[in-house]
Amino acid sequence: QQQVKQSPQSLIVQKGGISIINCAYENTAFDYFPWYQQFPGKGPALLIAIRPDVSEKKEGRFTISFNKSAKQFSLHIMDSQPGDSATYFCAASTSGTYKYIFGTGTRLKVLA
Amino acid sequence: DAGITQSPRHKVTETGTPVTLRCHQTENHRYMYWYRQDPGHGLRLIHYSYGVKDTDKGEVSDGYSVSRSKTEDFLLTLESATSSQTSVYFCAITMAAGNEQYFGPGTRLTVT
Repeated sequence: QQQVKQSPQSLIVQKGGISIINCAYENTAFDYFPWYQQFPGKGPALLIAIRPDVSEKKEGRFTISFNKSAKQFSLHIMDSQPGDSATYFCAASTSGTYKYIFGTGTRLKVLA
Repeated sequence: DAGITQSPRHKVTETGTPVTLRCHQTENHRYMYWYRQDPGHGLRLIHYSYGVKDTDKGEVSDGYSVSRSKTEDFLLTLESATSSQTSVYFCAITMAAGNEQYFGPGTRLTVT
């Protein structure tokens, strides 16, 4: 029940296309859902996050869509660029607790 | 990297030797975490701290110990390193539990 299942494991997208990464969770106590971007040799960097009181959050080309009833959330990268090539992690947490559960990551490659 | 430094950044050590990794933050955040990152497993919590001298175990704590004598420093010790502890280790901080989490640059540890 503590898992966060992330898919796909890897993704190849053409420049200008839309990249979509999905995550699913079971624990309904989760109320904070961040996405992280990680480049090789670097630490994960917080990209965007959402709480379940909204169904969508947009920051530039990055959008999180949240479906509370389905217990799923997804990251959409619009107009994908080669510089977006990285590994993306979803995560989930409950306010007031220390525990952040991470997905296993999606390696995105955007072809020029 | 949100005012977080890790040292050393790379280390090669032999099986059975003790190893200490250091995390230093300049943000005065209360919560500090140690994760390990391995292919196919994402980020897994080793130990965390919710204040000076207040620490607790994560999901993969066997073979690891931690100490926090000052707000800014969180140490991870492998008492007797094993090859299964070859990994990339990340330190992270948050202001409050369940909020934005920021990661350091990582330490790549190889146990031969």
